[in-house]
Amino acid sequence: DQQVKQNSPSLSVQEGRISILNCDYTNSMFDYFLWYKKYPAEGPTFLISISSIKDKNEDGRFTVFLNKSAKHLSLHIVPSQPGDSAVYFCAASAVNTGNQFYFGTGTSLTVIP
Amino acid sequence: KAGVTQTPRYLIKTRGQQVTLSCSPISGHRSVSWYQQTPGQGLQFLFEYFSETQRNKGNFPGRFSGRQFSNSRSEMNVSTLELGDSALYLCASSGRTVGGETQYFGPGTRLLVL
Repeated sequence: DQQVKQNSPSLSVQEGRISILNCDYTNSMFDYFLWYKKYPAEGPTFLISISSIKDKNEDGRFTVFLNKSAKHLSLHIVPSQPGDSAVYFCAASAVNTGNQFYFGTGTSLTVIP
Repeated sequence: KAGVTQTPRYLIKTRGQQVTLSCSPISGHRSVSWYQQTPGQGLQFLFEYFSETQRNKGNFPGRFSGRQFSNSRSEMNVSTLELGDSALYLCASSGRTVGGETQYFGPGTRLLVL
């Protein structure tokens, strides 16, 4: 039962443009959401997170938006750079799941120079 | 602070053998989680240990087991290896950040079962 879904396996964007990665979840109890970036043969690197009490969190070029009513979050990267090319995972957790995190299947982003 | 470390980085085993992977969390982190990553499957949660106790468990067979030591270091064991166990095994330790717990990952152990 995939509680966190990333329906786009891949995305290509021109350098300098905006990259939008999407994530949907089914469990309304999730209250904390994270995005990770992963290069091949490396572990995921934490990028940015958002608590359910917020609808937006920004960190430099990265902004995460949360729409609780739609159970949807998105990661915006502006402007996109070739070094952003990687697989991006979204993850969710809830207080009542202890420390268990639920991950999506990832979206492979390619930024074209 | 030093990051999460995992050893070994690469392993080749044959079917039927068993393997033990090791993870050292970030200093001060008491929670360690293990994941299996295979192509197209994302990160599949194996289990989580906190203060030497298994706190959460994913849907993997009993061949997959783990433990955590008093210094928070953790080991994962897979017995009777199958070809399908070939994967990247990731360990993550958890720390508190503004807003909630965040998991920080190690580089992973790439296991190949022949």
